[in-house]
Amino acid sequence: KNQVEQSPQSLIILEGKNCTLQCNYTVSPFSNLRWYKQDTGRGPVSLTIMTFSENTKSNGRYTATLDADTKQSSLHITASQLSDSASYICVVSPRYGGSQGNLIFGKGTKLSVKP
Amino acid sequence: DAGVIQSPRHEVTEMGQEVTLRCKPISGHDYLFWYRQTMMRGLELLIYFNNNVPIDDSGMPEDRFSAKMPNASFSTLKIQPSEPRDSAVYFCASSPSGVPYEQYFGPGTRLTVT
Repeated sequence: KNQVEQSPQSLIILEGKNCTLQCNYTVSPFSNLRWYKQDTGRGPVSLTIMTFSENTKSNGRYTATLDADTKQSSLHITASQLSDSASYICVVSPRYGGSQGNLIFGKGTKLSVKP
Repeated sequence: DAGVIQSPRHEVTEMGQEVTLRCKPISGHDYLFWYRQTMMRGLELLIYFNNNVPIDDSGMPEDRFSAKMPNASFSTLKIQPSEPRDSAVYFCASSPSGVPYEQYFGPGTRLTVT
């Protein structure tokens, strides 16, 4: 069964510190892996999209890595800011002939950045 | 572009009433998705359309749920009759054609059924 598991479920860090969020998936074969940021009361916003052949992708202070062999991805946040407080959702797209409707969502990691 | 627009942002209704959620996708996008998000289950795909045609509605929980897309700029998700377990945040998202199918989400409609 295709699954996406994220850890930890929640995380509290101090402003200015770094943190790493984990995503393990069993989807195979897969087309791409995305990380979304969801602020409280808003819709998810894409941070990065990586294809199966990419190892890393950055978006400002956010860096996503992908190890297709171990089926693991991580999202590293550098020098955290209060505005980073949000849920971060890992999403995997299976390689089913390009269907858009087969995204598999993790339940997210809720990050709280404290001053 | 204004992004994906959803209305209403909040809806409170009594059990048994009909609820209609509305969505305007980003102009030029070929795909439209309806999702439901709860604390227990996270984000779940309900149905998606391509060029106004429903492609996969296997995520629609029951016959009480129906969705339409009469034209490229408007879609509705209807629940009739509503039940307390339908309480959730409903998101609409749209996407252009082409890999890697970036999806753009609306702000969501928070539905509470009492």
